[in-house]
Amino acid sequence: GNSVTQMEGPVTLSEEAFLTINCTYTATGYPSLFWYVQYPGEGLQLLLKATKADDKGSNKGFEATYRKETTSFHLEKGSVQVSDSAVYFCALSDRRGGGADGLTFGKGTHLIIQP
Amino acid sequence: DAGVIQSPRHEVTEMGQEVTLRCKPISGHDYLFWYRQTMMRGLELLIYFNNNVPIDDSGMPEDRFSAKMPNASFSTLKIQPSEPRDSAVYFCASSLGTGAYEQYFGPGTRLTVT
Repeated sequence: GNSVTQMEGPVTLSEEAFLTINCTYTATGYPSLFWYVQYPGEGLQLLLKATKADDKGSNKGFEATYRKETTSFHLEKGSVQVSDSAVYFCALSDRRGGGADGLTFGKGTHLIIQP
Repeated sequence: DAGVIQSPRHEVTEMGQEVTLRCKPISGHDYLFWYRQTMMRGLELLIYFNNNVPIDDSGMPEDRFSAKMPNASFSTLKIQPSEPRDSAVYFCASSLGTGAYEQYFGPGTRLTVT
């Protein structure tokens, strides 16, 4: 079956530090990959996505590249801000592999940015 | 657009009681999903609908859980009878399609069963 593994948190960084959150996946087909972000008390919001190998998704200074050879989709940002503090979820959708049409999520990484 | 609307935002009930969670998807979205979020298991897909028809309910934990979508603008998730292990945040999401399509999440309903 499909699965997503991401680094455990919490991850605590100082403002303007470089961020990497690792994500690897297992899928039976050829999935689309996503990063969603959840702010306190809110639902999840799409941060970025990539639909095929070597695609780079980017948004709000965050980037992630779809690496099929390493089955990875690591999230990066060059200089984090306090407002980036949230929980980040890596997810996949693998309909073409015959899986369910819903998203398979990682456990989430709680990011804390200190001023 | 108001986004995906869920009600109530918080629900506290006693074990054995019936609980009904409600969701209004974004107008024009053909897919509706119900997820459950817990500390132990993370986010899990419970069931999803396409054009009001349930497509996959393999994630529904047991027969105490049921979901309906009587029309394109309303869905319910019911737990009867509720148990303390059902305590979680329940999210509804909708989308125009699947695969690469973005899912839009509601704010969630935090359910506490005592």
